[in-house]
Amino acid sequence: EVQLVESGGGLVKPGGSLRLSCAASGFTFSSYSMNWVRQAPGKGLEWVSSISSSSSYIYYADSVKGRFTISRDNAKNSLYLQMNSLRAEDTAVYYCARVHDLSWYMDVWGKGTTVTVSS
Amino acid sequence: DIQMTQSPSTLSASVGDRVTITCRASQSISSWLAWYQQKPGKAPKLLIYKASSLESGVPSRFSGSGSGTEFTLTISSLQPDDFATYYCQQYNSYSLTFGGGTKVEIK
Repeated sequence: EVQLVESGGGLVKPGGSLRLSCAASGFTFSSYSMNWVRQAPGKGLEWVSSISSSSSYIYYADSVKGRFTISRDNAKNSLYLQMNSLRAEDTAVYYCARVHDLSWYMDVWGKGTTVTVSS
Repeated sequence: DIQMTQSPSTLSASVGDRVTITCRASQSISSWLAWYQQKPGKAPKLLIYKASSLESGVPSRFSGSGSGTEFTLTISSLQPDDFATYYCQQYNSYSLTFGGGTKVEIK
């Protein structure tokens, strides 16, 4: 079964850091680009970051550029999101999602992990 | 960035109704558009890609159309399982953007 499982969410103070992980199974992880997408409470979906299969291409939303770093370890079938200088507006459910082939829509999603930034 | 505008933001409908949701892009995105369904507390689910291609396993009552800047998602006969929020997403540029969502409610 194709599956993505996020972990690492939690409560953090403003200015703090957190590292999210996404464990992939059931498919050849190293062949797919991956995305992080977030959803603030009661709000819509917001793309956060993308990484190509070999990490050659990396993109960020302006709202997180310079603070978040996406990375992957194909040997461990894992995707990561290092989040630094966290702000209250980063509070959201964070989803990892598989990109379908070379088109940047998302055909498999994890269940999400919740990040709360509050003092 | 390409802005995506969905309308309406909320839609009240009955089981069996034909439902249409519109998504407009701030510039041409060719057919690089996807539609997702999301239920409360759940992850989004892919319904349509490349504007009109039905994802495997998605019921045929869902269809998509459009190109350029105007797109529609149609549910031909609304079923109880279809009450949810729907999002469009453009992937014409690497800076991916979603529409604000359309919540389909029971009338």
